[in-house]
Amino acid sequence: GAVVSQHPSRVICKSGTSVKIECRSLDFQATTMFWYRQFPKKSLMLMATSNEGSKATYEQGVEKDKFLINHASLTLSTLTVTSAHPEDSSFYICSAKGAKDYNEQFFGPGTRLTVL
Amino acid sequence: GQNIDQPTEMTATEGAIVQINCTYQTSGFNGLFWYQQHAGEAPTFLSYNVLDGLEEKGRFSSFLSRSKGYSYLLLKELQMKDSASYLCAVTDSNYQLIWGAGTKLIIKP
Repeated sequence: GAVVSQHPSRVICKSGTSVKIECRSLDFQATTMFWYRQFPKKSLMLMATSNEGSKATYEQGVEKDKFLINHASLTLSTLTVTSAHPEDSSFYICSAKGAKDYNEQFFGPGTRLTVL
Repeated sequence: GQNIDQPTEMTATEGAIVQINCTYQTSGFNGLFWYQQHAGEAPTFLSYNVLDGLEEKGRFSSFLSRSKGYSYLLLKELQMKDSASYLCAVTDSNYQLIWGAGTKLIIKP
């Protein structure tokens, strides 16, 4: 149980285009989902926390107009990187938290974004 | 401020034992996680400690001392596939997960 999928796993796009990444909890309802970014050889950096049906909470320094997050249902959250630039190239990982006692986060497999 | 410290890199030999330490200073404490992350992949859950003591799970064990703000992950009978980064993360009083920078573990034959 507690499987999280992410799509696409890899995307290459031109500078200036927008890219949407989907995160789904497959066998549980995720009240809260998290979006992380990870640069090579660096640790996870939390970008935002999204709760179903409400606006996402962005971490300091993350542009909410550039990284649009929608958590429309208990099983789906999307991250849209708008007007992507090469510096946005990174590994984007989502995680979902269900209703377990100890707040474990279940991670998706990640999306490798390369902006040319 | 909130802080999680763990060594940047460690090297160990196949078949041996290695201990990866993690110290934390957070506003409140609601549990400590260890995750394993292979290069290019998402983290996978290894262990969770919320009470003091040792939790054993096969070749991996995790220890917690809340009074010392200290945890370690112990890996026994190391295998080449254990080469990965090991991330320590603490849930604070707001149930926010605070991440360490990770320890890259290199296993040599």
